[in-house]
Amino acid sequence: NAGVTQTPKFQVLKTGQSMTLQCAQDMNHEYMSWYRQDPGMGLRLIHYSVGAGITDQGEVPNGYNVSRSTTEDFPLRLLSAAPSQTSVYFCASSYGRGVGNSPLHFGNGTRLTVT
Amino acid sequence: DAKTTQPPSMDCAEGRAANLPCNHSTISGNEYVYWYRQIHSQGPQYIIHGLKNNETNEMASLIITEDRKSSTLILPHATLRDTAVYYCIVRAGNFNKFYFGSGTKLNVKP
Repeated sequence: NAGVTQTPKFQVLKTGQSMTLQCAQDMNHEYMSWYRQDPGMGLRLIHYSVGAGITDQGEVPNGYNVSRSTTEDFPLRLLSAAPSQTSVYFCASSYGRGVGNSPLHFGNGTRLTVT
Repeated sequence: DAKTTQPPSMDCAEGRAANLPCNHSTISGNEYVYWYRQIHSQGPQYIIHGLKNNETNEMASLIITEDRKSSTLILPHATLRDTAVYYCIVRAGNFNKFYFGSGTKLNVKP
């Protein structure tokens, strides 16, 4: 199994450009989430989803959109990139609601620079 | 969600046990304690988790106090490759947010 796959690994954007960070998992996990990690900081939750068609906001949702049309995929969209969104983005998944006994599995991250 | 408190950094000699503490004094009865680590800028790696009882796996042991307000992650024989940031997180079964704090930077020294 591939686990959690994130693409691209690296991306450079100009201010105002839009893009989509891709995340896919092949473990049939209901729960998926996006985090960002700024240099020297911990991970902050952006958005999460507990199943197809259901999404909700985390700690830092502004400037990002998500959708969950399938169980496998959870793309993160930057509508108009800003330098403050320069960060490393991690996608994670796990079994979902009612299953507290389920670790999060992380992807390897997308390193985004906005100039 | 209960929040956690960890020391910002710790040192450990190679080959010795590393004991990483975590305070989660507001933990609820259905919240699990999870430990992850992050090496450089890689994705966080799951280590271990528990609810009430102490747990052990091939990587580490987790000791949870009887009142569940604190826990300790034990790496029995630390190696240089264990140098990383270690995160302690609590998670409820019906509440799907994992919140990461700042973690503890463990420095394993020769």
